[in-house]
Amino acid sequence: EDKVVQSPLSLVVHEGDTVTLNCSYEVTNFRSLLWYKQEKKAPTFLFMLTSSGIEKKSGRLSSILDKKELFSILNITATQTGDSAVYLCAVEEASGTYKYIFGTGTRLKVLA
Amino acid sequence: GAVVSQHPSRVICKSGTSVKIECRSLDFQATTMFWYRQFPKKSLMLMATSNEGSKATYEQGVEMDKFLINHASLTLSTLTVTSAHPEDSSFYICSASRGDRRETQYFGPGTRLLVL
Repeated sequence: EDKVVQSPLSLVVHEGDTVTLNCSYEVTNFRSLLWYKQEKKAPTFLFMLTSSGIEKKSGRLSSILDKKELFSILNITATQTGDSAVYLCAVEEASGTYKYIFGTGTRLKVLA
Repeated sequence: GAVVSQHPSRVICKSGTSVKIECRSLDFQATTMFWYRQFPKKSLMLMATSNEGSKATYEQGVEMDKFLINHASLTLSTLTVTSAHPEDSSFYICSASRGDRRETQYFGPGTRLLVL
């Protein structure tokens, strides 16, 4: 059965800390891995990763994929209270039509 | 940017009634729309994939007679929760993808359903 597992489930840090969120997956027909940030309502897109070892970066956020070990990490440096959210990892599975399998999410709380 | 709307944003209904939720892509044509369900403090669970003009593909464990999906046009998909029960209370989110940029799903704002 295809699955996506994120860790930790929740995390509390102080402003300025660096955090690393993990996403591991077991998906039969992997096509890509995506990271989303969800605050109050719908998720917003952060990154899409398809190739191993290539870091994607956007401001204080960066992410990398390891297709051999089947995981990805999302790093947030110099965290701010506005980073408090649930971070979702999703894997795009492609068998005929494509679909997305979401992980459990990591709830991040950044304290001032 | 691409915008996806959902209507209604919140609905309260009595047990046994049916509720229709609309998902519209406002400024692009969505060849594929996805319907998700999210429980409090939990992740998104894909319910079904909806392609315009064809029957939706339901995930295992999701009853197609319970959750009717219609994707009548490239900008509109509807989810009807039939004979709703309290256990159907949840947050339902749709997302839409352009055919050529599938990596970006554009999410609707979600619909909170409460069945009394």
